[in-house]
Amino acid sequence: QVQLVESGGGLVKPGGSLRLSCAASGFTFSDYYMTWIRQAPGKGLEWVSYISSSGSTIYYADSVKGQFTISRDNAKNSLYLQMNSLRAEDTAVYYCAGSGSFYYGMDVWGQGTTVTVSS
Amino acid sequence: DIQMTQSPSSVSASVGDRVTITCRASQGVTNWLAWYQQKPGKAPKLLIYAASRLQSGVPSSFSGSGSGTEFTLTISSLQPEDFATYYCQQANSFPLTFGGGTKVEIK
Repeated sequence: QVQLVESGGGLVKPGGSLRLSCAASGFTFSDYYMTWIRQAPGKGLEWVSYISSSGSTIYYADSVKGQFTISRDNAKNSLYLQMNSLRAEDTAVYYCAGSGSFYYGMDVWGQGTTVTVSS
Repeated sequence: DIQMTQSPSSVSASVGDRVTITCRASQGVTNWLAWYQQKPGKAPKLLIYAASRLQSGVPSSFSGSGSGTEFTLTISSLQPEDFATYYCQQANSFPLTFGGGTKVEIK
């Protein structure tokens, strides 16, 4: 079935780094636009980053620009988020989500991976 | 950036009630507006895309309307499984932005 599975979350000290991964199955990953979205504890949804189906177009939220790097490997059906210089305010559940058509919203979501930044 | 404002932030309702949630955009997003449902501890689920198109598998009790800057999500007859938090999201331009959420609670 259509599935996204995130991994790589955990507890990290301020200033540290993590790399999140998102493995796709059950659909043609290379046709999908992909995003990372996060949700701080008890808060709403915040878009973090976007990558086009080919990987040629990338956008970031201002809050993570210069700090996070999104990438994808269509041969491995995988999406990544490299997170550097982590701060307490980056603590959240991170979801990968995909869309077959950018304007139509995100119809495939992972279960989320938790990132906690604390000393 | 386009700001998305949802109202109300929470609503108490009974099974069988009709519930309407409003989402306003700070500038026009044509009809590139999506609605999601999120239950505690779970990922969001797409309900409505392009303002009024029902995602496959979503009950017809859900409907969306609007264009430009004002949109609504309506649940025509609330069911026990519909108690959740609902978010709107504009897909017109980057940065993608979400509304603050509307929690639908049991009265």
